Amino acid sequence: NAGVMQNPRHLVRRRGQEARLRCSPMKGHSHVYWYRQLPEEGLKFMVYLQKENIIDESGMPKERFSAEFPKEGPSILRIQQVVRGDSAAYFCASSPISDSGANVLTFGAGSRLTVL
Amino acid sequence: KNEVEQSPQNLTAQEGEFITINCSYSVGISALHWLQQHPGGGIVSLFMLSSGKKKHGRLIATINIQEKHSSLHITASHPRDSAVYICAVTGNQFYFGTGTSLTVIP
Repeated sequence: NAGVMQNPRHLVRRRGQEARLRCSPMKGHSHVYWYRQLPEEGLKFMVYLQKENIIDESGMPKERFSAEFPKEGPSILRIQQVVRGDSAAYFCASSPISDSGANVLTFGAGSRLTVL
Repeated sequence: KNEVEQSPQNLTAQEGEFITINCSYSVGISALHWLQQHPGGGIVSLFMLSSGKKKHGRLIATINIQEKHSSLHITASHPRDSAVYICAVTGNQFYFGTGTSLTVIP
């Protein structure tokens, strides 16, 4: 396992379409985090998931955005009815279970969404 | 006011110089991360700290929990160190600094 795998690396959508971004965590990692980096801005936390469970979604926009991490398969970040302001780089990170609550993060290469 | 403040925002250094990037935070944390974002956009986690000091090659990271401050040091800097360095903290939520853009000139 080369690490955290994200796909697609680049995605172009027209306004109103749906975007689905996938993240396969590192082998043995059961926690997935999604972050967004808007153009010329810093990283912003979106959501933290364990398998079949959303732990913290405080950074997710209230509408159109959803995330899941099913028992089998990758984590998916779904954006419905995309708008130009959704154009950004979306990064996924994964971590193993940590009793201390402090998690070593491994980042994926990111998925760059462009909304036309 | 941001929960995580980094300084400087931009830094240019000559190859071989010793570099320090600072991070101050205002929230309770369980860990602090130093991340490196390459010009192509990829992000690498350099360190995760909850106390003390860690060293990896030419990189050293320190944290002072009482003062809510961390520093990232690069010794004998090299042009390949040119990147954006991001401080992030995890506690009840996740907060990121806006990054320090480092350029090392040959």
